[in-house]
Amino acid sequence: QIQLVQSGAEIKKPGASVKVSCKASGYNFITYGISWVRQAPGQGLEWVGWISPYNGNTKFAQKFQGRVTMTTDTSTSTVYMEVTSLGSDDTAVYYCARDNEAFEIWGQGTKVTVSS
Amino acid sequence: QLVLTQSPSASASLGASVRLTCTLSSGPSDYIIAWHQQQPEKGPRFLMKVNIDGRHNKGDGIPDRFSGSGSGAERYLTISSLQSEDEADYYCQTWGSGIVIFGGGTKLTVL
Repeated sequence: QIQLVQSGAEIKKPGASVKVSCKASGYNFITYGISWVRQAPGQGLEWVGWISPYNGNTKFAQKFQGRVTMTTDTSTSTVYMEVTSLGSDDTAVYYCARDNEAFEIWGQGTKVTVSS
Repeated sequence: QLVLTQSPSASASLGASVRLTCTLSSGPSDYIIAWHQQQPEKGPRFLMKVNIDGRHNKGDGIPDRFSGSGSGAERYLTISSLQSEDEADYYCQTWGSGIVIFGGGTKLTVL
């Protein structure tokens, strides 16, 4: 079946970086973009950015530009998101989603905790 | 920038119907939106896309109890025959000009 499987939980210190993966299966990987969405504790959903597995093009929400990088590995159908200069307000669950304008398939989420 | 507004909370009785609203700040428009459900301690789940003309395309396995519609600047998610597992947060989402926007979410309580 179509699914997105994300990497496991991470604990990072302030100022560090984190790289989260999202492995797709069950469909033609390059056909759909992948978006990343985060959810801080007790808060709503916030779009981080998008990557095209077809050509590697990216788009980011303004607040994340320059601090978030997204890459794709078509050989393993995996998308990666790296967030640098982590602060306590980056503590959140990060979700990848298959982006067909609507986010039709969601990953299970990766909890990232930033704490000294 | 476009803003999607949702009531923070809603409640309805078991077996009843409830309509959740997502209001576009742009006013009446042809924006398509999507609805997502997030049950407690779970990740989001795609429910459906809703067009302005009321046509909606559901995700796989979404019960017929869930339907979508729209009018002007408002998009609706209607849940009939409410069940306990419908107690969840519901988010609307739209897209355009290279960005994606979520509403603040509505927490639905099933009484």
